[in-house]
Amino acid sequence: DTAVSQTPKYLVTQMENDKSIKCEQNLGHDTMYWYKQDSKKFLKIMFSYNNKELIINETVPNRFSPKSPDKAHLNLHINSLELGDSAVYFCASSQRGWDAYEQYFGPGTRLTVT
Amino acid sequence: RKEVEQDPGPFNVPEGATVAFNCTYSNSASQSFFWYRQDCRKEPKLLMSVYSSGNEDGRFTAQLNRASQYISLLIRDSKLSDSATYLCVVSYTNAGKSTFGDGTTLTVKP
Repeated sequence: DTAVSQTPKYLVTQMENDKSIKCEQNLGHDTMYWYKQDSKKFLKIMFSYNNKELIINETVPNRFSPKSPDKAHLNLHINSLELGDSAVYFCASSQRGWDAYEQYFGPGTRLTVT
Repeated sequence: RKEVEQDPGPFNVPEGATVAFNCTYSNSASQSFFWYRQDCRKEPKLLMSVYSSGNEDGRFTAQLNRASQYISLLIRDSKLSDSATYLCVVSYTNAGKSTFGDGTTLTVKP
């Protein structure tokens, strides 16, 4: 059974398009995250949700809008895509909060903007 | 100064070698510490948590030095399968998040 799943795995699109990435976890966790890993492999947190409530928004452009319909799902919608958005986007979840619990990552969505 | 700093490497070592990575953090209020491992084109996975008294898991030993604000990971008897990027993670409740280091790349060669 997949613990944290993301779709799609690969996404190739043109600039200025709008796209969404979906994430689901079946671990019963309360907290979910979106991370961006750029070409230099640096992993940066973008958003964190706890029980469907936004907890962290790390100065991400407002072209990025997360949505959590329930605590098992956290989707990421990106408007007006730019070349600099090309990266791997990882969804993750943890049992409760963020400070003392292991984070489980999804397999990543490799986004290429042309 | 970055919140969490790691030597990016790369560390190239022969099989059987012992290798150590350090990670420094800037916030003295940091509460939880972890090492994650990320294989090429894969997601990060927890390798081990780091406890104040230090802890060991097989060939891996993690240490925490709060006074000097660093954590370390020691890998003994390196295997080819240890080749990966090792990410240091530091969490503190007041910030409401975990911060990942930029990773240290290890390549173990035959």
